[in-house]
Amino acid sequence: KAGVTQTPRYLIKTRGQQVTLSCSPISGHRSVSWYQQTPGQGLQFLFEYFSETQRNKGNFPGRFSGRQFSNSRSEMNVSTLELGDSALYLCASSFLLRTSTDTQYFGPGTRLTVL
Amino acid sequence: EDKVVQSPLSLVVHEGDTVTLNCSYEVTNFRSLLWYKQEKKAPTFLFMLTSSGIEKKSGRLSSILDKKELSSILNITATQTGDSAIYLCAVGGGADGLTFGKGTHLIIQP
Repeated sequence: KAGVTQTPRYLIKTRGQQVTLSCSPISGHRSVSWYQQTPGQGLQFLFEYFSETQRNKGNFPGRFSGRQFSNSRSEMNVSTLELGDSALYLCASSFLLRTSTDTQYFGPGTRLTVL
Repeated sequence: EDKVVQSPLSLVVHEGDTVTLNCSYEVTNFRSLLWYKQEKKAPTFLFMLTSSGIEKKSGRLSSILDKKELSSILNITATQTGDSAIYLCAVGGGADGLTFGKGTHLIIQP
């Protein structure tokens, strides 16, 4: 079974630009969550999508947005990039992420550097 | 504001020892508590505990959720050097999705 894939793996952008990151979950998984990881703040939850609907959202500004397609693939977008957006962006997929028998699998992440 | 506190922040033990990592939380509308292991790459999911599944075990790792005390422990028995990692606790519930603790940095010395 193929794992969670994220593209691109590395990205360099400049302040003010926008960026779109992509995540393909494990086949059959309907929940896709996005996280930001930085050395200072650790791992922070961005949002979770389930069946094309945003089910939860973390405490991030509106510049961070996402969506999920009917095939469960998800994208996240960051507009008007700031230096502080430099981070590892992780995507994770799960079947439901609601029961104790559920598991969650992470992709390798996209390393975003904002100059 | 939801809060997750992990202790200790770091721990150094010898191979073969048993360790207990702690996670306490304050969240509105608790839904689930998750444990992750992170080495140099992306986190690896370990367990999810909910009101209907308060105890989980997998090999040398086990975890218990205490809803009364608003806490959870992660036990690792017969530790090995490969257990060295940062262990993250996250709690789901409330409006902000998942809230992560800062992690416990575990080092297993041979």
